[in-house]
This record gives sequence, C-alpha cells and structure tokens, in this order.
Amino acid sequence: QVQLQESGPGLVKPSETLSLTCSVSGGSISSYYWSWIRQPPGKGLEWIGYTHYSGSTNYNPSLKSRVTISLDTSKNQFSLRLSSVTAADTAVYYCALSLTAGDRFDPWGQGTLVTVSS
Amino acid sequence: EIVMTQSPATLSVSPGERATLSCRASQTVRTNLAWYQQKPGQAPRLLIYGASTRATGIPARFSGSGSGTEFTLTISSLQSEDFAVYYCQQYNNWPPWTFGQGTKVEIK
Repeated sequence: QVQLQESGPGLVKPSETLSLTCSVSGGSISSYYWSWIRQPPGKGLEWIGYTHYSGSTNYNPSLKSRVTISLDTSKNQFSLRLSSVTAADTAVYYCALSLTAGDRFDPWGQGTLVTVSS
Repeated sequence: EIVMTQSPATLSVSPGERATLSCRASQTVRTNLAWYQQKPGQAPRLLIYGASTRATGIPARFSGSGSGTEFTLTISSLQSEDFAVYYCQQYNNWPPWTFGQGTKVEIK
C-alpha cells in the first residue's frame, strides 16, 4: 500500500522559508491528491493545501499568500514551501493522500516537527 | 469556512464501557464526514468515512452515525488501545477542509 515519509529541516529562522518534502512509496504520485496538514504542539489539525499531477493546486485561504505546493513525478515526491514564517508556524507537518479532491485523508505520513526560532 | 465543534473536550471512560463522541458542523456537510484516531507521537489514523463506513482494518466496535450537521462516533466497549484523541473532519465544502478540535478519551 501507499506509504508517505516527510523530510526537511527541523529548525527554521523567523522570516525565512520552510521547505519540506514528502516521499511516496508503494504507488505513483501521478494519481490521487496530495495534501499537507499541520498540527501545532498540543493543538488541532489544519489543512494547508493540496496538489495533483494535473497541475491543480488548492490552498487554505488563511495561508494562501505564503504557500506553494509542488509535485516532482520523476522522484515520486511532492513539496511544501511556506514563506515568511513566524513562531505561529511551529508545528508537526504531515503529508497525506486523498483519492479525490473532496475526500478523507488516508494514509498519512508519520509527521515531522518544524520549529521556528532564531 | 465550515466550523466543526466536538464535544466533550475530554471523556473519562472505564475499559469495557461505551464511549459516545459528538461532532457538529456549522452548516450541512451531508455525509462527507470522517473520524480519525490519534495517539501520542503518532499521525492521525482514519477510522470512519462517509459518516458511517469503517476504514480498512478498523474493528467493529467503532461505529459512526449521523448526517447533515450532527454526527456521532461510538466505541462500543473500550479497549486499552482506544484511549487517544479523536478528530472529526468535513470534506463537503472546501477549501478548506476543516477538522474539529478533538475529543480526548482518557481512562477513568
């Protein structure tokens, strides 16, 4: 079955750009919809956005001005870039799959903690 | 944006007892509602989708019901591995997909 694994720096300085990658195994990234979701420590879940191999993307309006999600079919990976980060962006970042654009998330990656601090 | 409200925030239950968790949507989401279980240090795991369909491998003691704006997750007889935080999520109106704030099921 499809498995996802996040990777990237665990520490980012304020005002810089957070960059994470999700590696997909057990299935082709040229299918389905690929999302990023985050969870601040001790808090709930927030959907960030998705990408699809067709080039379609969709972002949470609350983050849209700072987010870019892209897909690399040659590496079977997709990526998140979040610019101008602040301490409020400190969170565990998860990547996840959904079968269609409006669908549940399954499976999820294990998550990676990103701390924004100088 | 659809706001999802879960209650209670914390539910104290003894092993073997029944647990009933609620989720309310600020507007109708039809049956486009999922439930997830999250244990400390782990990613959320899909339990229920379509408001009432169990995901692959989920035990029958987990059941979901409801439609429109009111939903319920029931765990018929709590096992030790069921103590966790549970989230509901709507996928009817997006962007954005939205989650409830979670219900923590703890040992009484």
